[in-house]
Amino acid sequence: QVTLKESGPALVKPTQTLTLTCTFSGFSLSTHGMRASWIRQPPGKALEWLARIDWDDEKFYSTSLKTRLTISKDTSKNQLVLTMTNMDPVDTATYYCARQYCSGNSCYFDYWGQGTLVTVSS
Amino acid sequence: QSVLTQPPSASGTPGQRVSISCSGSSSNIGTNTVTWYQQLPGTAPKLLIHSTNQRPSGVPDRFSGSKSGTSASLAISGLQSEDEADYYCAAWDDSLIGWVFGGGTKLTVL
Repeated sequence: QVTLKESGPALVKPTQTLTLTCTFSGFSLSTHGMRASWIRQPPGKALEWLARIDWDDEKFYSTSLKTRLTISKDTSKNQLVLTMTNMDPVDTATYYCARQYCSGNSCYFDYWGQGTLVTVSS
Repeated sequence: QSVLTQPPSASGTPGQRVSISCSGSSSNIGTNTVTWYQQLPGTAPKLLIHSTNQRPSGVPDRFSGSKSGTSASLAISGLQSEDEADYYCAAWDDSLIGWVFGGGTKLTVL
């Protein structure tokens, strides 16, 4: 059974660095072909993909946010980590981690965490 | 501004068939498969359709997906009240080298 759960601060101040952790079970990010992403959703708005990390440690970032994001994994702990620097009130959102499954040429997010709401305010 | 374009809202009465469109470009929908997610209020998105037209186990066959060129569609037949949710399309973009989502469509069952 695959599960993912995000954790981190509910409130951060502007200019601070946000660190989020996704603890997962039921799969390993060291397994060939496995991938995982962070996705966020501001209140009442659409989903926005942030970053992806692959089993071989290859990383991909949102073009608009890449200078502020770092994604990493700890396969021994089954954890995925996202850091976002220089937080701003517009970064207030629910942050999700999701497993990316690929079959042939098709990939998709088949399991999602419950999400964690991060509010940026002084 | 989302890379994939969806209508902000759609509606139908119970039993009706509704369709939600998702417009992209040659670097995303035109080249890669499309995924649809359903998001009920206050919950995380749930995989609804993958690989453009495949339903995961447990998803009713009332839901179907299709693609033509750089546009995709989600169709829901026999509309039910529990289908009231937000629906998002997504695809990998080869130019942006990242995932892109639609702006979401809020489906109301009248």
